[in-house]
Amino acid sequence: AQSVAQPEDQVNVAEGNPLTVKCTYSVSGNPYLFWYVQYPNRGLQFLLKYITGDNLVKGSYGFEAEFNKSQTSFHLKKPSALVSDSALYFCAVRDIGGNNRLAFGKGIQVVVIP
Amino acid sequence: DTGVSQDPRHKITKRGQNVTFRCDPISEHNRLYWYRQTLGQGPEFLTYFQNEAQLEKSRLLSDRFSAERPKGSFSTLEIQRTEQGDSAMYLCASSRGQGIQKLFFGSGTQLSVL
Repeated sequence: AQSVAQPEDQVNVAEGNPLTVKCTYSVSGNPYLFWYVQYPNRGLQFLLKYITGDNLVKGSYGFEAEFNKSQTSFHLKKPSALVSDSALYFCAVRDIGGNNRLAFGKGIQVVVIP
Repeated sequence: DTGVSQDPRHKITKRGQNVTFRCDPISEHNRLYWYRQTLGQGPEFLTYFQNEAQLEKSRLLSDRFSAERPKGSFSTLEIQRTEQGDSAMYLCASSRGQGIQKLFFGSGTQLSVL
């Protein structure tokens, strides 16, 4: 089965500093990768996806992600973190079956310190 | 669009009781998904509808669980004879069209089984 791993439980970063949230994947075939964010008491929101093409994918709220095939990674990045970026971030991969369902990682809590 | 709506937001029930949740997807979204999320974990796929047809069910979905999507609009998820292990956040998501599309999630129904 397709899967993603998010190796950290929490990432702390000072406001204004670069933010990186890590994700590695394990797939058979081409990977279709996603990042979602979950704010307290809100539903998951789509940030970006990688299907094919350019390895650097730009998404919502100033986030981007870099697809690295050799390292099987899809890390989420933001050049300058905001306090409002504090949330739970999920990496996901399209699962086998062709119906667009996703397999999610366990999530990483990002805390941006003012 | 008005977003994916789920009702109720919270449900507390006693073990052995039946519960039913409702999801209203974004209008004209033909795909509808149910996921379950427990504390510290990412969402886990439960079942998928394309229009009114239930096309896939996870092995996580025991015989006590049933989902419907009459007329391809709203969906209901029923859990019969609830168990304490059913306590979780139940998320609904929808998407449109074909291919690899982003999912739009509702805020979820938090179920607590006492």
